[in-house]
Amino acid sequence: GAGVSQSPSNKVTEKGKDVELRCDPISGHTALYWYRQRLGQGLEFLIYFQGNSAPDKSGLPSDRFSAERTGESVSTLTIQRTQQEDSAVYLCASSQWTGYFYEQYFGPGTRLTVT
Amino acid sequence: GQQVMQIPQYQHVQEGEDFTTYCNSSTTLSNIQWYKQRPGGHPVFLIQLVKSGEVKKQKRLTFQFGEAKKNSSLHITATQTTDVGTYFCAGEENQGGKLIFGQGTELSVKP
Repeated sequence: GAGVSQSPSNKVTEKGKDVELRCDPISGHTALYWYRQRLGQGLEFLIYFQGNSAPDKSGLPSDRFSAERTGESVSTLTIQRTQQEDSAVYLCASSQWTGYFYEQYFGPGTRLTVT
Repeated sequence: GQQVMQIPQYQHVQEGEDFTTYCNSSTTLSNIQWYKQRPGGHPVFLIQLVKSGEVKKQKRLTFQFGEAKKNSSLHITATQTTDVGTYFCAGEENQGGKLIFGQGTELSVKP
């Protein structure tokens, strides 16, 4: 079946512009996550949606970052007034409860370059 | 907040040598997961460990979860060039679904 998809795959933007990144999770997955991965670095947790619960926004680095999710479907991550330090790959993952844990399925990521 | 530390950051081995990466959490975990990210790719789930002291094997890969459920290790026996990539551990604290990833160990294998 279809996996997690993200768009665009690459985005180059000028400093100060806003960008919107999109994630389409696997159908039926209740949980959705956004991570940031800088070049050669690990995965930095940004935000987590679980069903209709209030999202866990504890990883958002500043108020320039926000994310929304409509029900259990598409999510968008918005970065306002982009800065060069925002350059990274933004990964989305979705998961569902297996009975023991949540196994995450990752999308291919959006590579954001801020010039 | 919860932190997951992973060492080493890099490991360069000759093909056929063994490799181990270690993961330590600042808090007790409900489960720990391991992911592999190939160069240019995205993380892919390998395995999860749930029980205290649990050991699981996948061919040449052996995963362990500590008795206190705060540390874990991944050991690869007789590495092959196909093992190249970055291995991440990810801990879940309270079964709520939120994973905190370690920084990863990048493995390179010289043929």
